[in-house]
Amino acid sequence: NAGVTQTPKFRVLKTGQSMTLLCAQDMNHEYMYWYRQDPGMGLRLIHYSVGEGTTAKGEVPDGYNVSRLKKQNFLLGLESAAPSQTSVYFCASPAATFYNEQFFGPGTRLTVL
Amino acid sequence: GQNIDQPTEMTATEGAIVQINCTYQTSGFNGLFWYQQHAGEAPTFLSYNVLDGLEEKGRFSSFLSRSKGYSYLLLKELQMKDSASYLCAVRVNTNAGKSTFGDGTTLTVKP
Repeated sequence: NAGVTQTPKFRVLKTGQSMTLLCAQDMNHEYMYWYRQDPGMGLRLIHYSVGEGTTAKGEVPDGYNVSRLKKQNFLLGLESAAPSQTSVYFCASPAATFYNEQFFGPGTRLTVL
Repeated sequence: GQNIDQPTEMTATEGAIVQINCTYQTSGFNGLFWYQQHAGEAPTFLSYNVLDGLEEKGRFSSFLSRSKGYSYLLLKELQMKDSASYLCAVRVNTNAGKSTFGDGTTLTVKP
């Protein structure tokens, strides 16, 4: 039981390039979230999903797209990367506990030059 | 929307007690979480409050006053490994279980 995993761990892009971040969970959870975290700041919600085939916008969705074709996977896409998207990206899913606190993946550190 | 405030930085001495405050303004409150995040790592869950009062878990305690929109995290017998960022997060009563996070308080524990 790996919990929540993310690939890749690190990536450097040039402005205008595209990429996809993959989040996978083996807990059979319905809800999944993508956050970004900038230095000295908390987590800001980009997009989220409440089940397979569904996605919704969070606080900061511009410049990102998502897909949830399979229940266990939640993909975050950057179609044309910008330096402002340099950040650490975390995927999360609620833990199967009484509190349903969010269980985070290890993060992807993205730099856009 | 939600507005969450917590101090940016705090410093305390090993073995001491420190209290990290969090104030929030929200509608549809459905619980407040505290997470710990060490540098370069993912946040991990510390505590959860949905009713007023104090929840104690070992060296860590968390308090909530819903009428005041106020919570604090109390860390006792501080250890060097407690140096980390502490994030306050408020969950609202939606069907998506979303939480809004504060910017975090960076705690430095000195010998």
